[in-house]
Amino acid sequence: GAGVSQSPSNKVTEKGKDVELRCDPISGHTALYWYRQSLGQGLEFLIYFQGNSAPDKSGLPSDRFSAERTGGSVSTLTIQRTQQEDSAVYLCASSLASVMLEETQYFGPGTRLLVL
Amino acid sequence: AQTVTQSQPEMSVQEAETVTLSCTYDTSENNYYLFWYKQPPSRQMILVIRQEAYKQQNATENRFSVNFQKAAKSFSLKISDSQLGDTAMYFCAFMKQGAQKLVFGQGTRLTINP
Repeated sequence: GAGVSQSPSNKVTEKGKDVELRCDPISGHTALYWYRQSLGQGLEFLIYFQGNSAPDKSGLPSDRFSAERTGGSVSTLTIQRTQQEDSAVYLCASSLASVMLEETQYFGPGTRLLVL
Repeated sequence: AQTVTQSQPEMSVQEAETVTLSCTYDTSENNYYLFWYKQPPSRQMILVIRQEAYKQQNATENRFSVNFQKAAKSFSLKISDSQLGDTAMYFCAFMKQGAQKLVFGQGTRLTINP
């Protein structure tokens, strides 16, 4: 079956603009995660969804970052008023995770964001 | 907070050789999970192997095996009979039970030479 997909693959934007990054999880996966991969900070957790709710959004770096998930499927990560330090690869992952069981996370190919 | 340390930023071996990647972690938790992920140039993170902390037996997946030393908080990855397709960044990751988020090390860039 299809894996996790993300769009766009690459995004170049100007400082101050808003961007939306999309993630389509594996069908049937109830849990969805966003991570950020940057040269300076490595791989960082941003937010976790179980269904449409986000029990853990502790990794969002500022209030310019937000995410939502609708229909228990697609998720959108929005960055408002982008800054150059937001340049990174944004990775999405999904899993079958229930609350009590840690399931393997399967990753998408990421969106490379460059803020000029 | 948990931390994961990969002390080898880069490694290079010849095809067919065996290579071991190091990973140590710091946690006060007793129940957790450890993972090795591979990231080739395509950027897609691929699970290599997974270990549950409550299991004493080391996990193996074909040419990939781990040496899990819980008391030492060490989780190394051994790749046997290395192949050119093993060339990638390798990340060690930790997940506390119930946390639902991965904590990654800084990665080791592995190059397999023909």
